[in-house]
Amino acid sequence: QVQLQESGPGLVKPSETLSLTCVVSGFSIRSGYYWGWARQPPGKGLEWIGSIYQSGSTYYNPTLKSRIIMSVDTSKNHFSLRLNSVTAADTAVYYCARRAVVGAHINTWGQGTLVTVSS
Amino acid sequence: NFMLTQPHSVSESPGKTVTISCNRSSGYIARNYVQWYQQRPGSPPTTVIYEDTQRPSGVSDRFSGSIDRSSNSASLTISGLKTEDEADYYCQSDDDNSHVVFGGGTKLTVL
Repeated sequence: QVQLQESGPGLVKPSETLSLTCVVSGFSIRSGYYWGWARQPPGKGLEWIGSIYQSGSTYYNPTLKSRIIMSVDTSKNHFSLRLNSVTAADTAVYYCARRAVVGAHINTWGQGTLVTVSS
Repeated sequence: NFMLTQPHSVSESPGKTVTISCNRSSGYIARNYVQWYQQRPGSPPTTVIYEDTQRPSGVSDRFSGSIDRSSNSASLTISGLKTEDEADYYCQSDDDNSHVVFGGGTKLTVL
């Protein structure tokens, strides 16, 4: 059974870089899905951040594209997110997820990790 | 890119039927599949409908999805409402460049 687990700092200072990693277990990251990140500010809706394929091809949310770098490490079966120049508006629960290549169904989610941007 | 617009909230009584709409602002609703997710407080979303009308294993057949080309909308219908259905519901689709789009979410109250 595939499981996703986010890890990373829960507190980031303004203007610094938010870094998160998602470890995939029970499934090979090479097996033909997109791997991605979503976030949800407290009390608000879901926002998709971006996706990465096993080859390293990326598909970033246009509104965040200038601040995002996503990467994948197939040897460690994990993928990562870096979001730079953060502000309080980036405070959110960050989820990693697996989505289908055809149809975009997000069929597996991590439990989520709260990242707070504050000095 | 396009937007998916949902009502902010809906409410209905137990045992009744409720429908949540999801309107696509531009481009044809049928061009890309629509998914529906249920989210309870403190938990990640879970799928109730994928690929417009498909129900994952384990999801009650009280949940159904449809597409209306005339209004360029997708809909989630929940029949025989139960108090456990109270949650936030999100529609989701993607565009031709593989960018994922979520609706703003609908809070369902079962009272």
